[in-house]
Amino acid sequence: SAVISQKPSRDICQRGTSLTIQCQVDSQVTMMFWYRQQPGQSLTLIATANQGSEATYESGFVIDKFPISRPNLTFSTLTVSNMSPEDSSIYLCSVEEMTGPFSYEQYFGPGTRLTVT
Amino acid sequence: KQEVTQIPAALSVPEGENLVLNCSFTDSAIYNLQWFRQDPGKGLTSLLLIQSSQREQTSGRLNASLDKSSGRSTLYIAASQPGDSATYLCAANNAGNMLTFGGGTRLMVKP
Repeated sequence: SAVISQKPSRDICQRGTSLTIQCQVDSQVTMMFWYRQQPGQSLTLIATANQGSEATYESGFVIDKFPISRPNLTFSTLTVSNMSPEDSSIYLCSVEEMTGPFSYEQYFGPGTRLTVT
Repeated sequence: KQEVTQIPAALSVPEGENLVLNCSFTDSAIYNLQWFRQDPGKGLTSLLLIQSSQREQTSGRLNASLDKSSGRSTLYIAASQPGDSATYLCAANNAGNMLTFGGGTRLMVKP
């Protein structure tokens, strides 16, 4: 299974600033995903990032607020822009690996715990 | 739109008990269903993946079942241990490879 690392593991930021989260995978993957987990909540998909194309954002998430880069098949970044306390969450990246016809298993990074003051 | 529900939201059991966590989903057209474990403030660890054509998967003390027709999956944990304390999440994988997560079950196993 893919091994995923994220940087930073946690950060405390002031409102109005931006933070870029990095996600590194130890193998080449086609699709990478960014999720948000607000305190006490389950995971919500922010966007899907394919190499060589713009990220696809889910309803409620926009590129200006969460710009994503995917420069190659092993790396992606998510920026949380103009932060407010409501952005305090754990941000997780994940990748998928094919396990069979039309079947994929997702693996997750350790997450980045963001607190906005 | 897929919706995933997990019951119970929280569970506290004494060490050694066998327990069942429940997951239900509204759209049965899934490719697979995954069970994850999440420790407080941490990322997710994949426990078991059940393909849409399978009925169950086993890994050690864990057994996950899938009934697509009724939109249900269960995670059975045998002989629970304090180290099993964590939040358990199920996620349904539909077309587009997007996972829809349930709200999770917070499990506490008391020594």
